Amino acid sequence: EDKVVQSPLSLVVHEGDTVTLNCSYEVTNFRSLLWYKQEKKAPTFLFMLTSSGIEKKSGRLSSILDKKELFSILNITATQTGDSAVYLCAVEGYGGATNKLIFGTGTLLAVQP
Amino acid sequence: GAVVSQHPSRVICKSGTSVKIECRSLDFQATTMFWYRQFPKKSLMLMATSNEGSKATYEQGVEKDKFLINHASLTLSTLTVTSAHPEDSSFYICSARDSLWTYEQAFFGQGTRLTVV
Repeated sequence: EDKVVQSPLSLVVHEGDTVTLNCSYEVTNFRSLLWYKQEKKAPTFLFMLTSSGIEKKSGRLSSILDKKELFSILNITATQTGDSAVYLCAVEGYGGATNKLIFGTGTLLAVQP
Repeated sequence: GAVVSQHPSRVICKSGTSVKIECRSLDFQATTMFWYRQFPKKSLMLMATSNEGSKATYEQGVEKDKFLINHASLTLSTLTVTSAHPEDSSFYICSARDSLWTYEQAFFGQGTRLTVV
């Protein structure tokens, strides 16, 4: 059965800290891995990764994929209180008429002032 | 960027009644729409995938007669929770994209918090 596992489940840090969020997966016919940030309602897209070893960056956030070891990490440097959210990892697998996303349980990040 | 509008954002209904949730793509043609359910402190669980003009494909364990999905146009999909019960209380989110796009360009609605009393 396909699955996506995130760790830690929750994390509390102080402003300025650097955090690393983990995502491991077992998905048949992997196509891509995506990271989302969910604050109160809809998830917002952060990154899509398809190739191993190529880091994607956006400001203080960065992410990388290891397709051999089947995991990805999301780094956030110099954290701010506005980074507090649930971070979701999702994996897209080829299948049937439409590919679908399998989501992990998320990591709840709380950044304290 | 593309916008997906979901309505209502919050609904409270009595047990036994039906509730309809709408998901609209405002500035693109959503050939594919996804419906997810999210329990508190849990991840998004895919309920069904709908392609415009055809029947929805439901995930294992999702009752198609209870969760009716209609995707009659390229900009609108609806999820109707029929004969709702308290255990149906949850956060429902839709996602829409053009089937030619990658998931990088799939957009989520704001979600609907359903409470069945």
